Amino acid sequence: AAGVIQSPRHLIKEKRETATLKCYPIPRHDTVYWYQQGPGQDPQFLISFYEKMQSDKGSIPDRFSAQQFSDYHSELNMSSLELGDSALYFCASSLGQGRGYSNQPQHFGDGTRLSIL
Amino acid sequence: RKEVEQDPGPFNVPEGATVAFNCTYSNSASQSFFWYRQDCRKEPKLLMSVYSSGNEDGRFTAQLNRASQYISLLIRDSKLSDSATYLCAVTPRWGKLQFGAGTQVVVTP
Repeated sequence: AAGVIQSPRHLIKEKRETATLKCYPIPRHDTVYWYQQGPGQDPQFLISFYEKMQSDKGSIPDRFSAQQFSDYHSELNMSSLELGDSALYFCASSLGQGRGYSNQPQHFGDGTRLSIL
Repeated sequence: RKEVEQDPGPFNVPEGATVAFNCTYSNSASQSFFWYRQDCRKEPKLLMSVYSSGNEDGRFTAQLNRASQYISLLIRDSKLSDSATYLCAVTPRWGKLQFGAGTQVVVTP
């Protein structure tokens, strides 16, 4: 079965640079979530989209922005990168929370490992 | 204090034995509950959803106690491949997952 696809798998950047992470959800999934997992930490929710609209916002820095496109893929744009942004970034997808499917499980992609030098 | 709490372990379990551990959550309005498994530096993989009546999937049994606000996971006949970190995840109304810090399970030969 098709899973969530994230790219790139690994990314190395320097401080103050920008980065764009991409996420392609499971087919027919219309909700996308982004999570950040630092070393030794549990995943922390950043932001989510349902039907191309932002549906919830967590601990996402103002330097980061994201959007969901008409084909439901999503991109996380990160600017003015800092050393503390080094982490695993996971995208997850599920069926429409907007329809009240809050019990639908989220399926995660392999993640992007971002290293800031 | 985290909204979702787990015993970090590690739980050292002989192969073939049974292990069980809990996860407590503070938001009484939480709607949905899940167990994920995470291997070192890999993505969380859905193990099972947790239903009010409790549910079983092979060697894994999950229970939900809304009154005391905890969920549990029991693994029977542990296999070496069950060694992992087990993440409890809880959703409030709008779907974002709140994770516990994870419980590490180490199954030994």
